[in-house]
Parts: sequence; C-alpha cells; structure tokens
Amino acid sequence: QKEVEQNSGPLSVPEGAIASLNCTYSDRGSQSFFWYRQYSGKSPELIMSIYSNGDKEDGRFTAQLNKASQYVSLLIRDSQPSDSATYLCAGNSQGAQKLVFGQGTRLTINP
Amino acid sequence: NAGVTQTPKFQVLKTGQSMTLQCAQDMNHNSMYWYRQDPGMGLRLIYYSASEGTTDKGEVPNGYNVSRLNKREFSLRLESAAPSQTSVYFCASRLREAAQPQHFGDGTRLSIL
Repeated sequence: QKEVEQNSGPLSVPEGAIASLNCTYSDRGSQSFFWYRQYSGKSPELIMSIYSNGDKEDGRFTAQLNKASQYVSLLIRDSQPSDSATYLCAGNSQGAQKLVFGQGTRLTINP
Repeated sequence: NAGVTQTPKFQVLKTGQSMTLQCAQDMNHNSMYWYRQDPGMGLRLIYYSASEGTTDKGEVPNGYNVSRLNKREFSLRLESAAPSQTSVYFCASRLREAAQPQHFGDGTRLSIL
C-alpha cells in the first residue's frame, strides 16, 4: 500500500466551480502536508502547506487536514482554466528525512 | 535568487554512455533529493542526502550513483545509460526540519537511444 494515495483522475470541473482534490495517507505519524501544482512539462511548484487539523486558506485555495481520518484535501474556488494541472499531495513524518508523494491528480477546468 | 538550478536542461545519450546531472541550490538547505518522473508514474525518489556528507538510497537507486559535493551541490551519475533511464529528472532541496517543504529545480529531460 502506498503511503500517500490520490485519485489519478482526470478530474474535470467547469470554470467558476469549486474543484475538490483529495489525498489519504497511511502513516499516523505524519505531521506536515504539502500541495504542489505541476503544469505539463514543468516542475512541481509548492502552493499550500498545512500542519494542523482544520482549514487553511490562501486566496482561492483552501487546504483541509483531518488527522483522525488521515486525509488531506485541497479546494480551489472559482476555478480558472489556468488551474488545469496535475496536483501532487505530499506528507512528512516528524523526523523523517524525505517527503512521500502521491501519484498526483490531473485536473482540467473546462471554459 | 536562483533557488535550485539543474544542468543540463536536455540531453540525448546513446546506450552505454555515462553522464552526470548537476544540481546546485543557493538557499542554504541541508537536504537534497533526486527524483525521476515517468508518464503515469508520479515522482520516484532515486537518492537523497539528508545533510552534507551523507547519502541514502530511495525507491529506485539501481543504475545510479550520487555525490554530495558540498552543502550546495548534489550530482547524479549514470555510469552506463540504458533506454529504461529515459525520463525527466528533478532535483529538490529543503531545510532538514520535518515541517519544511521541498523546492524543485526545473528538471533535466534525458533521452537514452
């Protein structure tokens, strides 16, 4: 079982709607989580970090963490065609020396 | 502020040739990483260096070697390139504390014929 799981998609969302991306993890010791956006042919770019249970908002992005249920989610409000990309979820256990990445979810925003 | 710099950006090799991919970071990060990314496979960790002077295998180390030259530089070497090593290679770095994210370079697109 992979330590971080994501639905590979593709996930198709109409422009202006809310895109919801989900990630589950198996290591209960995981303390910090990150969402990366990767455009086709480009490198992963950090868009959100979350460390505590609850919601964290940054502009149109909201990250949600539920440690009891071991899931992390990313909501994108007012989705734009420029949000079309692959979104990678990553987790890190306390003291662990590396991040564990999910496979990524490919998101397409339809005009 | 350049961040993580990878060279070269593109390379074509013939089977059996050797090659070193270079990575340098200017963020004073302790830890550095090499990944490969193939279509539909996500990021796979090849090797990492938690701190200067240490290196460890990731999930796909076979066919590769690494050198942590100093705190800034971490190189990846293919001793005898094989077509299965055709991929996009990303270098990343981070501060060693667990709460810190990784920052990626722009990648090296490597084709082995």
